Amino acid sequence: DTGVSQDPRHKITKRGQNVTFRCDPISEHNRLYWYRQTLGQGPEFLTYFQNEAQLEKSRLLSDRFSAERPKGSFSTLEIQRTEQGDSAMYLCASSSGTSGNTIYFGEGSWLTVV
Amino acid sequence: AQSVTQLGSHVSVSEGALVLLRCNYSSSVPPYLFWYVQYPNQGLQLLLKYTSAATLVKGINGFEAEFKKSETSFHLTKPSAHMSDAAEYFCAVSESRGYSTLTFGKGTMLLVSP
Repeated sequence: DTGVSQDPRHKITKRGQNVTFRCDPISEHNRLYWYRQTLGQGPEFLTYFQNEAQLEKSRLLSDRFSAERPKGSFSTLEIQRTEQGDSAMYLCASSSGTSGNTIYFGEGSWLTVV
Repeated sequence: AQSVTQLGSHVSVSEGALVLLRCNYSSSVPPYLFWYVQYPNQGLQLLLKYTSAATLVKGINGFEAEFKKSETSFHLTKPSAHMSDAAEYFCAVSESRGYSTLTFGKGTMLLVSP
C-alpha cells in the first residue's frame, strides 16, 4: 500500500512564473485535500475534493490558485503569477471518508519564490 | 467554528523524562481529535485519533492522549522520551459529520536532550 505521493518535492521559481504540483492519493480514497503550511505554523486548509467534484474552497485560495481532480484520481494545484508570499509547503492528503475520517498526508511540495 | 490551541511553541525534556504536550480545542459539535507528528522537511504522520469511542487513546511510538470533554482538552503524553521523539507535534480537530476538514494548532516543537 503506497501512501500519498506528491511531485515535485521541491520547486524554486521566479516571481511571476506559474507552477503546478501533482498529488496521487491512496488508491481507494475518494476524498482529497490540499493544505498550505508556512514556517512556524500549522497546516491551513485550501480545498477539498470528493471524487472529481471540488466541494469546498478556503478563502485562502485566491484567484491565482486553481485545483483540479480529473476523473477523481490524481489532483493538480496550479499557482499562477507566483508571489513571494506563496512560498510555503503545499501538502496533499486523502481519506476514505470512513473510520473517523482519518486523513493521511503526503510528504509535501516545498515552493520557494525568489 | 472549530479551533485548536497548543500551549507552548517549544517543550524541552531530557531523555527518559515524561512528555506532556497540551492541546485545547473548541468545537460546536462533538469533535474528532488528532495528533500528528512532523519530522524536518517531511509531511505529517498520524500518531493517534479520538473518534468518540474510548477517551484514552493509544497511538504509535508509545504515545497516548486522553479526551476530557469537561476541560475541552486532548493532551498528548509519553512516559519516557526518546531522542527520536524530537519533532514538531500538531493537534487537530474536525467535526464528526460526513466529511470535515482538519483545523490545526500552531504546533509544539519537542526538544529532547541526552
